[in-house]
Amino acid sequence: EIVLTQSPATLSLSLGKRATLSCRASQSVSSSLAWYQQKPGQAPRLLIYDTSNRATGIPARFSGSGSGTDFTLTISSLEPEDFAVYYCQQRFDWVWTFGQGTKVEIK
Amino acid sequence: QVQLVESGGGVVQPGRSLTLSCAASGFTFSTYTMHWVRQAPGKGLEWVALISYDGSHKYYADSVKGRFTISRDNSKNTLYLQMNSLRAEDTASYYCHLTVTIGAGMDVWGPGTTVTVSS
Repeated sequence: EIVLTQSPATLSLSLGKRATLSCRASQSVSSSLAWYQQKPGQAPRLLIYDTSNRATGIPARFSGSGSGTDFTLTISSLEPEDFAVYYCQQRFDWVWTFGQGTKVEIK
Repeated sequence: QVQLVESGGGVVQPGRSLTLSCAASGFTFSTYTMHWVRQAPGKGLEWVALISYDGSHKYYADSVKGRFTISRDNSKNTLYLQMNSLRAEDTASYYCHLTVTIGAGMDVWGPGTTVTVSS
């Protein structure tokens, strides 16, 4: 089972700042990595799939990069609605896995 | 409108069994791989299992392998998760999940059903 490690656990930033979230895989997942956003009491929302493709309706301030074992989700300028928990998910192996999450909170 | 609705959750004693269902509508259920994902209270997302469109391929998280069985009935547009030998750590909200990234794509989650394992 591929283990995904996200860092940092919590990111405290002000509105308008750039957020950089990391996801590291225990073995290569090629480009088969997705990012989800989850707010309290809501279902997860797909942001990025296949490392860098934005899902339908996702604003351009969200971008993904990386390959192999190291991946990054960048939010170029934080908006109030972006404060949430973010999860990476690998889809390379038949046994999918999620990272433990990064909470982006208002500083 | 694509919709997934889970049912079957409840309170169950450790070691007992429970079967969850997920009713699908608004899309051609029989052509898509389906997933179960769970989330323990206050914790992160945990992928549980997937089943191929025709039920021929099934894969499980290590944490549930040998205890949980995913299945589907394409004639009823329904996904199932049979959970045996339940443990306290299986307490979570269980979500049915459809994700498609080809073509127009879609990523759909049900509202979830809660399973509490407690004596």
